[in-house]
Amino acid sequence: KQEVTQIPAALSVPEGENLVLNCSFTDSAIYNLQWFRQDPGKGLTSLLLIQSSQREQTSGRLNASLDKSSGRSTLYIAASQPGDSATYLCAVRPSLGSGTYKYIFGTGTRLKVLA
Amino acid sequence: GVTQSPTHLIKTRGQQVTLRCSSQSGHNTVSWYQQALGQGPQFIFQYYRKEENGRGNFPPRFSGLQFPNDSSELNVNALELDDSALYLCASSLGMNTEAFFGQGTRLTVV
Repeated sequence: KQEVTQIPAALSVPEGENLVLNCSFTDSAIYNLQWFRQDPGKGLTSLLLIQSSQREQTSGRLNASLDKSSGRSTLYIAASQPGDSATYLCAVRPSLGSGTYKYIFGTGTRLKVLA
Repeated sequence: GVTQSPTHLIKTRGQQVTLRCSSQSGHNTVSWYQQALGQGPQFIFQYYRKEENGRGNFPPRFSGLQFPNDSSELNVNALELDDSALYLCASSLGMNTEAFFGQGTRLTVV
């Protein structure tokens, strides 16, 4: 059974700092992995999608990497800003034939960037 | 985008509730997730071309419908206190393509 874990559960950093959020998953048979942002009480905003054949994706100050064999992904945020404060969720889609239709989510990392 | 209604709802234990979702235009797939406070979203089910395509570990009192006009419903019967959560709808063009989430409906069961 696929399980997704995110460490740390919460993180507080001063503005301008570069930071790394971690995501690990127990089954390497994934279709893709996606990082989302969630503001309190709101829906999910997609940040980056990495297909199983890819190693990384970049968008602006965000860079996500994927190491499928070790069951790990990291989200790197450069030059953090107070507006980056939110919960960051990692989700995997299982491989074809194993329930690719669903996302399996971690419990998230709650990030606070201090001005 | 994906829109959900209502944004907040309070129901009494034992009642029934219907949550609504309007998918992104042209999307033929809708998925529903339940997110308890402090947890990641949990998959409830997915509808592809109006048929249930997959289901998570939720009892039959959770049911859904998908309509021709890009709208869908999540129905929950015999509400329990543990059903209190944020319910998220996600639409996509295909069963395993990138999904786009709505803002959610906050359901409180008292």
